[in-house]
Amino acid sequence: EPEVTQTPSHQVTQMGQEVILRCVPISNHLYFYWYRQILGQKVEFLVSFYNNEISEKSEIFDDQFSVERPDGSNFTLKIRSTKLEDSAMYFCASSIESNYGYTFGSGTRLTVV
Amino acid sequence: DAKTTQPPSMDCAEGRAANLPCNHSTISGNEYVYWYRQIHSQGPQYIIHGLKNNETNEMASLIITEDRKSSTLILPHATLRDTAVYYCIVRVEAGAGSYQLTFGKGTKLSVIP
Repeated sequence: EPEVTQTPSHQVTQMGQEVILRCVPISNHLYFYWYRQILGQKVEFLVSFYNNEISEKSEIFDDQFSVERPDGSNFTLKIRSTKLEDSAMYFCASSIESNYGYTFGSGTRLTVV
Repeated sequence: DAKTTQPPSMDCAEGRAANLPCNHSTISGNEYVYWYRQIHSQGPQYIIHGLKNNETNEMASLIITEDRKSSTLILPHATLRDTAVYYCIVRVEAGAGSYQLTFGKGTKLSVIP
């Protein structure tokens, strides 16, 4: 069964550093998403991406965040200057159509120290 | 998007049907009902979705009441691997401008041997 692949599975970074979280969506999917889950809290929407542009973003997704689909297969989330409160599990997802179910990856656990 | 109400937890005996209820009394005509689950800290997993009609797939059945104010997810023969948090999410059709899924606290289903 096709999977969404996320790397790395765990990343530790110092406060103020830039991080890039990587995702390989399912190959024929057209819609891409990032969500995050702070430990013990709800899964929260960050951003959706379609046709090489952001289609929707949440209040969490401020100027410190950016997304890119650099080469037609990878989908990345960059956090420019990490804060302690950015520590969370970050999930990438993709879907073939916007109303279809999403396939989520297994996540990257980001720890900011 | 309409708000959903789910019981915080439920138990189900292994091999029996698990019936997970969801109340969405403020749902509007163009809002879909989605069900996802999250096993431990893994990425959410899509289960099923529907608009008006009942739906069935290899994982589960979704029963939506005629007035659409509530729904029930049915896992016909629960196994220990079905122990997870189950999320009922109501979302407007994506073409109406919103792509995000709003996760609540869900129902923690424990399947008991």
